[in-house]
Amino acid sequence: EPEVTQTPSHQVTQMGQEVILRCVPISNHLYFYWYRQILGQKVEFLVSFYNNEISEKSEIFDDQFSVERPDGSNFTLKIRSTKLEDSAMYFCASSELPPTANEQFFGPGTRLTVL
Amino acid sequence: AQSVTQLGSHVSVSEGALVLLRCNYSSSVPPYLFWYVQYPNQGLQLLLKYTSAATLVKGINGFEAEFKKSETSFHLTKPSAHMSDAAEYFCAVYNQGGKLIFGQGTELSVKP
Repeated sequence: EPEVTQTPSHQVTQMGQEVILRCVPISNHLYFYWYRQILGQKVEFLVSFYNNEISEKSEIFDDQFSVERPDGSNFTLKIRSTKLEDSAMYFCASSELPPTANEQFFGPGTRLTVL
Repeated sequence: AQSVTQLGSHVSVSEGALVLLRCNYSSSVPPYLFWYVQYPNQGLQLLLKYTSAATLVKGINGFEAEFKKSETSFHLTKPSAHMSDAAEYFCAVYNQGGKLIFGQGTELSVKP
């Protein structure tokens, strides 16, 4: 069964460093998303991406964040200068159809720890 | 603004007992509602979704949920809990732009 994959599963970085979280969405999907979950808190939407453009972004997704689809398979989230409060589980998701009532398929997540 | 509230961050049931996980929503438009499950070290998996076709929605693994507009609720139930149901459960509502808004999550424990 096709699935969303994410690498690495765990990333440890120093405050101020850049990190890139990688995702491989399901191959025929056209809509891509990033969410994050700070330990003990809700899963929060960060950004949605379609047709090589950001469709929607949350207040969390400030200038320190960027997303890219560098080739036909990968979808990345970059944090330019990490802060302690960026420590969280980051989930990538994708959907085949427009994201109204249609399922978003989630990856297993990358746990980011900022020291 | 749309939101969901899950009542109870932790629910514990005995194996074979009824599972009831509560979710209330707030929405100014007819909502699309989802229940996701997260097993340890795995991603979120869709259990079921409400898209206005039917108020009683059946999902995977024997779970179902009933949409009650008058109560703004979308509670998740399963008649008989299995040990394998132990996981974290998230209720979510769809918002514009592809955004899912999640509740706090409810951790379900199943005792033998």
